[in-house]
Amino acid sequence: DAKTTQPPSMDCAEGRAANLPCNHSTISGNEYVYWYRQIHSQGPQYIIHGLKNNETNEMASLIITEDRKSSTLILPHATLRDTAVYYCIVRVEGFGNEKLTFGTGTRLTIIP
Amino acid sequence: GAGVSQSPSNKVTEKGKDVELRCDPISGHTALYWYRQSLGQGLEFLIYFQGNSAPDKSGLPSDRFSAERTGGSVSTLTIQRTQQEDSAVYLCASSGTSGRAPVYEQFFGPGTRLTVL
Repeated sequence: DAKTTQPPSMDCAEGRAANLPCNHSTISGNEYVYWYRQIHSQGPQYIIHGLKNNETNEMASLIITEDRKSSTLILPHATLRDTAVYYCIVRVEGFGNEKLTFGTGTRLTIIP
Repeated sequence: GAGVSQSPSNKVTEKGKDVELRCDPISGHTALYWYRQSLGQGLEFLIYFQGNSAPDKSGLPSDRFSAERTGGSVSTLTIQRTQQEDSAVYLCASSGTSGRAPVYEQFFGPGTRLTVL
């Protein structure tokens, strides 16, 4: 799986959009971009994933650059409950062994 | 609609003792994973079960670690002769796959915090 690079920490004001960047310059053509988050003392939670088109669901939006070398996770109206560590990973969406490997992610703090 | 549950939530043990950690996956999920997360670190894969296939044990750090999954549901991770470096949060996840459809989401339990004194 390709390596990803994320800033170690970010702050965002409550009610504002939180934009979390991720670089994945060595991504392969068949690798997807996935985002998970981990709220303190809880297990990781899937947020969203995409291949090359922008994606949106009830939690967030994912913007992937045209060359697919970077992406941005957008939380449109951040709340205090969005304070968590956010992990960006790239992997093949396969049919068998799906072990995840997270780095240290971005610690997002929502400021009241 | 229960999610993945794990027990105990916290376990404190003495160096050299054996511990068993339990995971109850989401009903019907055929895939089950064990991970561990040391303080301030990312996620480390340990072992993966998929249906009746032989488990992928490639992430187990030593032969003191073992896991089984009975009846394709509940799983137990056993650590023998615990060491202080085994202290971590042990996370279990499950996902639903028939082996024919792509898997994109793993559902994680709350974890078991293991402290080895």
